[in-house]
Formats: sequence, structure tokens, C-alpha cells
Amino acid sequence: DTEVTQTPKHLVMGMTNKKSLKCEQHMGHRAMYWYKQKAKKPPELMFVYSYEKLSINESVPSRFSPECPNSSLLNLHLHALQPEDSALYLCASSLSGRGANADTQYFGPGTRLTVL
Amino acid sequence: AQSVTQLGSHVSVSEGALVLLRCNYSSSVPPYLFWYVQYPNQGLQLLLKYTSAATLVKGINGFEAEFKKSETSFHLTKPSAHMSDAAEYFCAVTLSGNTPLVFGKGTRLSVIA
Repeated sequence: DTEVTQTPKHLVMGMTNKKSLKCEQHMGHRAMYWYKQKAKKPPELMFVYSYEKLSINESVPSRFSPECPNSSLLNLHLHALQPEDSALYLCASSLSGRGANADTQYFGPGTRLTVL
Repeated sequence: AQSVTQLGSHVSVSEGALVLLRCNYSSSVPPYLFWYVQYPNQGLQLLLKYTSAATLVKGINGFEAEFKKSETSFHLTKPSAHMSDAAEYFCAVTLSGNTPLVFGKGTRLSVIA
């Protein structure tokens, strides 16, 4: 089973709202990723967690706050977002995110976020 | 730093025709290369992955790609296009488990009946 699940599927929020995106995998993967994808563009890496510790933060604004409560779960907390933050947010996981070999990243279906 | 270039943002083929999507990479060391497909309003699905075990890599849905070091290419092919192949295709490269995956800009494949 190579499934990564994401909830919710769609989210509409105002600029003053606080919301969270959730990602879950049960493949025993120890690396989890958040990507942002705008229309007709490739995914852009936001954060990487490796063994539940934040290992990469690609200079993402603080209105995005990631959290990795355990090895199966990854959250993205959203606060005071701007309309330009509207995008498809993708979660991915891979075996370890470490070492000489590149593990395959498996992607979830994404959350379509609209900020009004 | 590594990078990938996908030639052609949009490719259109007739149903039953050969599919060829081009990807060239830039890397100072042997890379790991991936092709992903994305259907509308969905996440990315892995088609195939090159890990240096074999230069011709077979993937899902009848796709394959050949790693050519001399040409720094990893083009994706399928002998006969099907309507269900219409999607966005991304080539991606990384050097190891410790370096981020770098995506090309994507190629949208249209299949005409």
C-alpha cells in the first residue's frame, strides 16, 4: 500500500482564520514533505521532516507552521494567510530522506486551498 | 546544483501515436531521475525511477524512459498513446536522500481522438 491521505480535500478560508491541513501515511516512512503547487507550475518544496524533526524549511513565511506529532502524521497550520497563498498543497512521504540512495516520494491527493 | 529542463510545455499526439516527452538534466554527479504524472485536481503519481541499475527503465501504464549519460537525457516514451494518458508530466532529479527533489516545469500531454 503506497497511500498518503490528506484532509480536507478543499478548504476555503478568510485572511483572519486559523485552519490546519492534515496528512497521514502508514507505510512506515520516516520522511514527510509539504509542497505548494500553483496552477500550471511544478510543486515547490516548503518543509521536510526527517524522523519527526524539521530538516528543511525553504524560507517559508511564518504564517505557515508545520508540525509532525508522530512518524505517521504531518500537519500544516495556517494563520493570517494572503490570497496569493491559494494553491494546491501536497504532502509526500519517503522511506527515510537520508543516506546515499534517493527514496521514492509518494504523494497524497492534495488539499485545494482558497484564501478569500 | 542539479536541475532538469523539460522541452515543450505542451505536447499533442493522436490516439495510438508514439508519445515522446523530453527531459534533460544537469548534475555534477550521477543523479536519480524520476517521472511523475499528475491528472487534473490530483496529486503526483510515480511513473518510473532511474537509480543506475539499468539505463532502460520500465514504468507503469506502458511508459518507459532511457537514461543517456552522453546526452544528459531521460526522455519518457510510450509506443501508443491512449486518451487516458492526457495529463501533466513532471521530470524530477535528486542526488541522494539528503537533497531535495528538483522538478522540471512540466509538460502537458493532450491526446486527440
